[in-house]
Amino acid sequence: QKEVEQDPGPLSVPEGAIVSLNCTYSNSAFQYFMWYRQYSRKGPELLMYTYSSGNKEDGRFTAQVDKSSKYISLFIRDSQPSDSATYLCAMSPILTGGGNKLTFGTGTQLKVEL
Amino acid sequence: DTAVSQTPKYLVTQMGNDKSIKCEQNLGHDTMYWYKQDSKKFLKIMFSYNNKELIINETVPNRFSPKSPDKAHLNLHINSLELGDSAVYFCASSVTGELFFGEGSRLTVL
Repeated sequence: QKEVEQDPGPLSVPEGAIVSLNCTYSNSAFQYFMWYRQYSRKGPELLMYTYSSGNKEDGRFTAQVDKSSKYISLFIRDSQPSDSATYLCAMSPILTGGGNKLTFGTGTQLKVEL
Repeated sequence: DTAVSQTPKYLVTQMGNDKSIKCEQNLGHDTMYWYKQDSKKFLKIMFSYNNKELIINETVPNRFSPKSPDKAHLNLHINSLELGDSAVYFCASSVTGELFFGEGSRLTVL
């Protein structure tokens, strides 16, 4: 079993829909949770970053962490065609300035259609 | 003005050859990384350097040798390439937790 599990999709939604992307994990030491967005043929870029349990909102994006269930989610409201990308969750037990070993999910491919 | 730049973007080569990928970051970060992304999009850390010093070395064949001449550069040399080395290799840098990735170097071994 992988440490981080993520449904690869593809997930296809109409423009304006609310999108829910999820990851489960097995390592209870994970404290830092991130969502990266990766456009085709590009490098991943950080979208959201959460420490421990709770919610965090940034514009149309909301990240949720439920450590008791070892489950994290990313919600995208009013989805746009420009949101079409692969979304990767990532997590780590600690974050330092000296080098962090993030464990990534395999990514969910999202397509938002007009 | 590219923050993390990698060259070359594409590499096609034969099995058994040796190849290098170069990475440079202009963000002033102390830490740089090499990640490998396979065909299923799984992204896995290979190496991390902090101020030219190797701090993370995952279970990577010793055919892969990173080199950091200074904290703004991290290169990856691969000897005796194998079919399984075909992947996209990403360089990244960080100062805290956020990783800034380059655009990737797509390596195809024939």
